[in-house]
Amino acid sequence: DTEVTQTPKHLVMGMTNKKSLKCEQHMGHRAMYWYKQKAKKPPELMFVYSYEKLSINESVPSRFSPECPNSSLLNLHLHALQPEDSALYLCASSLRENYGYTFGSGTRLTVV
Amino acid sequence: DQQVKQNSPSLSVQEGRISILNCDYTNSMFDYFLWYKKYPAEGPTFLISISSIKDKNEDGRFTVFLNKSAKHLSLHIVPSQPGDSAVYFCALRAYNNNDMRFGAGTRLTVKP
Repeated sequence: DTEVTQTPKHLVMGMTNKKSLKCEQHMGHRAMYWYKQKAKKPPELMFVYSYEKLSINESVPSRFSPECPNSSLLNLHLHALQPEDSALYLCASSLRENYGYTFGSGTRLTVV
Repeated sequence: DQQVKQNSPSLSVQEGRISILNCDYTNSMFDYFLWYKKYPAEGPTFLISISSIKDKNEDGRFTVFLNKSAKHLSLHIVPSQPGDSAVYFCALRAYNNNDMRFGAGTRLTVKP
């Protein structure tokens, strides 16, 4: 298994909703990442988990809450989002020694 | 703070010709350099990389060149094929750092 799987692929949520994005990999990678990508922009780092511990939080608003329950899973809990949070949310993973990331196909989030 | 720049938002090339994508950076702490390719509605996929101790890395039709003194990275695709049409991101990483910085991307169109 050489993939990063993200679910759901598409999500539409209201500003008062609570939802979660899920990311899974079974490559034994011990670093996992959440990126946010707006249209025609590069991916922007949100969070980094290394060995299931949060190591980088790029000043992301608290309405985004990451969780890494084990080495294969990464969640992003969403609450009280704003329309400007609509974007493609990408999960990625890497081996500690491997400088390349494997990205998931992303969740296209629309906040209405 | 744009540490990584891809100054050409788009590039159009005839099938069979060479495509050259460029990337410039400002921070000399970067020592690992990657190219990612992204199709619409998919996550970026790793293409090719180079470490700072080399100036060239070749993989099939893809060659990455690094000029450290000029802080310049380029990707050559030859011969270009219509299936190469995608957005190409350069990504830079400092040693032992989980954070990657992406350029804004260049949309390559290869015309049959």
